[in-house]
Parts: sequence; structure tokens; C-alpha cells
Amino acid sequence: GENVEQHPSTLSVQEGDSAVIKCTYSDSASNYFPWYKQELGKRPQLIIDIRSNVGEKKDQRIAVTLNKTAKHFSLHITETQPEDSAVYFCAAAGNMLTFGGGTRLMVKP
Amino acid sequence: GAGVSQSPSNKVTEKGKDVELRCDPISGHTALYWYRQSLGQGLEFLIYFQGNSAPDKSGLPSDRFSAERTGGSVSTLTIQRTQQEDSAVYLCASSPWTSQETQYFGPGTRLLVL
Repeated sequence: GENVEQHPSTLSVQEGDSAVIKCTYSDSASNYFPWYKQELGKRPQLIIDIRSNVGEKKDQRIAVTLNKTAKHFSLHITETQPEDSAVYFCAAAGNMLTFGGGTRLMVKP
Repeated sequence: GAGVSQSPSNKVTEKGKDVELRCDPISGHTALYWYRQSLGQGLEFLIYFQGNSAPDKSGLPSDRFSAERTGGSVSTLTIQRTQQEDSAVYLCASSPWTSQETQYFGPGTRLLVL
């Protein structure tokens, strides 16, 4: 089955800096890669996703890149703000969605 | 419209008791998932229902865990003879047939086994 690795497990940045979270996956048949944000005590919420026919996708301050050859994808957050502090989960889907272990992002004001 | 709902939001039980957790998916969503999330940890897949197909139970950690989905809508996750290590947040998610990979999560049930 699919195996998704996510790094780093924790990330601390200064407000205004960029943050990058990286994931690798094992199943070359996976073709859908969503990212979820989970604030403390809240449910995971989809923030951005990318399909395998696209290399990059942007939505305001967040972007996701995908390298299918290397089987890795990344989340980029620019101009970070304290409200970006949360746990971020990547996932990969072929038939089923498999989640990475999560990254706790802390943005220091 | 209404999102995924779960009840109860919090449950405290004594070791050895049975508990039932309920999930109401978004209306019309054919797929339903249960996950477990221990404190500060990731999402552990438990079980997956898709339409009328046999559920994928590959993530259930023991035979004390079971789930059913009646009428293709509401789902109940049952934990028998609860143990302290069952304490976690149990999250339910649903997906539409047209976009099966996109999961919409419920608020979760926080279970504490004393």
C-alpha cells in the first residue's frame, strides 16, 4: 500500500518568513495530493490540493509543488502569520487517501 | 450546507465499558471514513465505507472495534470493553462520489477512558 513520509515534524518560523513542508510517497499510481490544516482542538480542513497532471498550484500565500518523478510534493507558505500556526497534514491518494504524520508549524510574532 | 457532524463531542467512560460514537456524513456523500487521532499524533485510518460495497476494515486495531453504516448514511463506531489506550479523538470524514479523494471532516469525538 501507499506510504507517506512528512518532514519536518515541527517547524518554528518568525512571522513574515516562509515555511516549507515536504512529503514523499511510495505508490507511483497516486494521483491526488491534498494538504489539510488542523488548528488546535479543531477538525482537519482542506487548504489546497494538486493533481498529478500539474506541477504547481498557488492560492494567495500558499502553494504546492509536485515532482512525480521523484515522488515528492511540498507545501510553501509565504509571509507567515501567527494564524498559520497549526498542524499540517499532507496526503496521497490512488484508491485511498493516506496521510503523512503531520507537521506542527509555529509562527512566532 | 450542513457539514459532517459527530456525537457526542466528548465522552468519558470507565475501562471495560462499551461506547458508541455516531457520525452523520454530508447528505449525498457516498464514502465515509473513521480515523483515530491520539494526542499530538497523526491520523490513524480505521475503516472505510463506500456505497453498498463491503467496508475496508483493514485499519481496525482489534476485534473490540466495529463499525456499521445503516442505509448508506449514518455510521456508528463501537468500541467494546474499552481500554485506557483507546483514549483519543475519533474523527469521521465523508466524500462525494464525484470527488472521492476529497474528504470533509467532522469535529470529532474526544473519548477519555478512565
